[in-house]
Amino acid sequence: ETGVTQSPTHLIKTRGQQVTLRCSSQSGHNTVSWYQQALGQGPQFIFQYYREEENGRGNFPPRFSGLQFPNYSSELNVNALELDDSALYLCASSSSTGSSYNEQFFGPGTRLTVL
Amino acid sequence: AQSVSQHNHHVILSEAASLELGCNYSYGGTVNLFWYVQYPGQHLQLLLKYFSGDPLVKGIKGFEAEFIKSKFSFNLRKPSVQWSDTAEYFCAVNLYNNNDMRFGAGTRLTVKP
Repeated sequence: ETGVTQSPTHLIKTRGQQVTLRCSSQSGHNTVSWYQQALGQGPQFIFQYYREEENGRGNFPPRFSGLQFPNYSSELNVNALELDDSALYLCASSSSTGSSYNEQFFGPGTRLTVL
Repeated sequence: AQSVSQHNHHVILSEAASLELGCNYSYGGTVNLFWYVQYPGQHLQLLLKYFSGDPLVKGIKGFEAEFIKSKFSFNLRKPSVQWSDTAEYFCAVNLYNNNDMRFGAGTRLTVKP
């Protein structure tokens, strides 16, 4: 059973640029959630994708957007990067019918640095 | 707004000491409760969860947590810690049937051999 994978591992961007982060869900999982974890903080929920549609969103501006593909992999896109976007971005997959109370399996994260 | 508070940022214990990590949340509705652990260099993984039923929940590696609804608390306990329990521990809450999972800031546990 393949776990959740994320790419790239690390990324450095400058303010105003755009970035795309990728996540492959665990085999058999149809739901992907994205989180932002700033240094010294717990993960903050960005949004969740279920069957290729956004299925819940946290308190993040519209410049944070996502996609889910038919194979359930997912992308997180961030436009107009700001310094405060520097964080570890975590992807978690789960097998659900659209609710979130199934165990989420986390990937290793992508460390984004915005200069 | 729903929030999760973990009272201790860093806890240092000797092996065989007992552990209790506090977690409080601020939501009055039905909630699902979780403890996650992140060992050094590893991914976040689930320690235990509470959805309903017996408020005393047992998880992996000898951990347990007790849900006290009147106190909005879900404290994590282990009677005797080991050096291998050194990790960061996160409490998380989500509203029943809601996809927004809220995490606490985490507690770093260091166990001295």
